[in-house]
Amino acid sequence: AQSVAQPEDQVNVAEGNPLTVKCTYSVSGNPYLFWYVQYPNRGLQFLLKYITGDNLVKGSYGFEAEFNKSQTSFHLKKPSALVSDSALYFCAVRDPPQENTPLVFGKGTRLSVIA
Amino acid sequence: EAGVAQSPRYKIIEKRQSVAFWCNPISGHATLYWYQQILGQGPKLLIQFQNNGVVDDSQLPKDRFSAERLKGVDSTLKIQPAKLEDSAVYLCASSLGRGTPSTDTQYFGPGTRLTVL
Repeated sequence: AQSVAQPEDQVNVAEGNPLTVKCTYSVSGNPYLFWYVQYPNRGLQFLLKYITGDNLVKGSYGFEAEFNKSQTSFHLKKPSALVSDSALYFCAVRDPPQENTPLVFGKGTRLSVIA
Repeated sequence: EAGVAQSPRYKIIEKRQSVAFWCNPISGHATLYWYQQILGQGPKLLIQFQNNGVVDDSQLPKDRFSAERLKGVDSTLKIQPAKLEDSAVYLCASSLGRGTPSTDTQYFGPGTRLTVL
C-alpha cells in the first residue's frame, strides 16, 4: 500500500529566505504526487502535481517541487518565502497501477514564515 | 467558477446524536469525495462517488456512517449515532472524473468542523 511521510511537523524560515518542506513516499509503481496547502478554517488548496515528465514541477504562488525517484522524495520549495506562505502543507501520493486507489495524505507540515 | 460548497461550517452535538453534512461539488465534476481530517493528521478518504455510484467506501465505518449522491450532483454524509472519536473536520472534494481519474486534481470545500461532546 502506498504511504507518504512528512518528517517535519514544523518548519520555521525567515521572510525572504528559501524554504523547503520535505516529503518522501512509498509506492509499488510510478507515483502520482501532489502538494496542497491549508489555511486556518479553510479547505485544502491545490499547489502542484507530478504525473510524468520533467522532474521539476512549477505550481501556484511561486512554489515548485522536485521529483527524485532514487530518493523517493518530492520536496516542496520556494526561492523566497513570504509571511503569507505561513500555513499547513500536505503532500499526497497515489499509486496508479490500480485506477481507483485513494489519494493518501501525509500528516502535514506547519510552515511559519517570520518577518 | 464557484468552488465546492459545504454546510454547515460548524456543528456541535452530543454523543449518540445524529448529524448530516451537505456538499455541492464544482459544476460538471463527476467524482465526489468525502474525507475525515482529525486534528494533527492528514485527510483520510471515507468514500468516493463517480456520478451517483460508489467507487470506494472501504474506509467508511458503515455501522454508523452513510453517504449518498442520489442525482449525481450534491451529496450528504450522515453519522448516526455519533461517537466522541468522530470529532473532526469533514472535507468534501470533487474532480472532473474523466479520462484518467487517478491524475485528476481534487478541489476541496472549506469543510465542516464537527465537535462531539
